[in-house]
Amino acid sequence: AQSVTQLGSHVSVSEGALVLLRCNYSSSVPPYLFWYVQYPNQGLQLLLKYTTGATLVKGINGFEAEFKKSETSFHLTKPSAHMSDAAEYFCAVSNTGGFKTIFGAGTRLFVKA
Amino acid sequence: GAGVSQSPSNKVTEKGKDVELRCDPISGHTALYWYRQSLGQGLEFLIYFQGNSAPDKSGLPSDRFSAERTGGSVSTLTIQRTQQEDSAVYLCASSSGQGGEKLFFGSGTQLSVL
Repeated sequence: AQSVTQLGSHVSVSEGALVLLRCNYSSSVPPYLFWYVQYPNQGLQLLLKYTTGATLVKGINGFEAEFKKSETSFHLTKPSAHMSDAAEYFCAVSNTGGFKTIFGAGTRLFVKA
Repeated sequence: GAGVSQSPSNKVTEKGKDVELRCDPISGHTALYWYRQSLGQGLEFLIYFQGNSAPDKSGLPSDRFSAERTGGSVSTLTIQRTQQEDSAVYLCASSSGQGGEKLFFGSGTQLSVL
């Protein structure tokens, strides 16, 4: 079985501040990990993913995430928030076994001017 | 097709009626998912089809929910005897079926049960 926990349903940052969205996963086999973003009134799109290899992965719009096996975490960061980053962010896990993708509850990011 | 297509985009129904939601995945994609998105509930997994394998129905919330996928392409999610708590956005996604690949999402069906 696999699961995803996103800490904090809402996160608010000031424009230019660091963005940190937390994600912890549970998987009995090596995981594939994803971050998706849903902008207001738009569909979900992939931000970045980890499958194998380098544990620090870079995505679109300046976001990156680091896979830490020892902490079962895959936190999403961005050094400097823009107003356009305001959206809902979903962490997801799949694996080499069943490929089924499970999503977390989502974190809504607010960016203050 | 160019993307995942879902219909209808909006559905308003009365409590107790049956509804059918349709998903047309990207051509050639062997994997197809249905998720439900409710306020504050994130993306709730409902059902997963992968090629000719038996579907993973472990996320269906009750026996009022069922889904089928005909010819490995179009899928229909059926909700019988709808209840107000079924009101949500129902999202369909498809992928190539390889491990670690991204999901392509449709725009969803907003279901409102009055």
